[in-house]
Amino acid sequence: GNSVTQMEGPVTLSEEAFLTINCTYTATGYPSLFWYVQYPGEGLQLLLKATKADDKGSNKGFEATYRKETTSFHLEKGSVQVSDSAVYFCALSDRSSNAGNMLTFGGGTRLMVKP
Amino acid sequence: EAQVTQNPRYLITVTGKKLTVTCSQNMNHEYMSWYRQDPGLGLRQIYYSMNVEVTDKGDVPEGYKVSRKEKRNFPLILESPSPNQTSLYFCASSQEGGELFFGEGSRLTVL
Repeated sequence: GNSVTQMEGPVTLSEEAFLTINCTYTATGYPSLFWYVQYPGEGLQLLLKATKADDKGSNKGFEATYRKETTSFHLEKGSVQVSDSAVYFCALSDRSSNAGNMLTFGGGTRLMVKP
Repeated sequence: EAQVTQNPRYLITVTGKKLTVTCSQNMNHEYMSWYRQDPGLGLRQIYYSMNVEVTDKGDVPEGYKVSRKEKRNFPLILESPSPNQTSLYFCASSQEGGELFFGEGSRLTVL
């Protein structure tokens, strides 16, 4: 079956520090990969996505590259801000076996950025 | 404004008392689904629907029911809630293969 593993948090950084949140996956087919962000008290929002190997998704200064050889989709940002404090979820959608457009999520990583 | 609306946002209830969490979307999406979020487990799909009158089980359907009588609505029904259903619930909708749009969540506590 499909699964997503991401680093446990919380991750605590100072403002302007470099961020990496690791994500690895297993999938039986050809997945699309996603990062979702959940700000306090809100639902999940799509942050970025990549649909095939070597694609790079990017948004709001965040980037992640779809690495098929290492089955990874690590999230990076060069300089975090206090407003980036949130929970980040890595997820996959396996198009070859997917019904209901289901996403398989990792456990989430809480990021706390201090001024 | 495109949105997915869930109600109630917060609910405390007791074991065995039937409850319904409503979900409505205004984007004319075919796909709708329910997830529950638990610490360390991420989000797990409970049920999904690919269109009106078409529903199916996700990964954790036990103890839940759904219905899809209209395209915009997808209520989640707990016939006899138990404490292990205490969780944060999210409704989501999408076009086929498209981005999922999530509601703001419904925090349920079953005593």
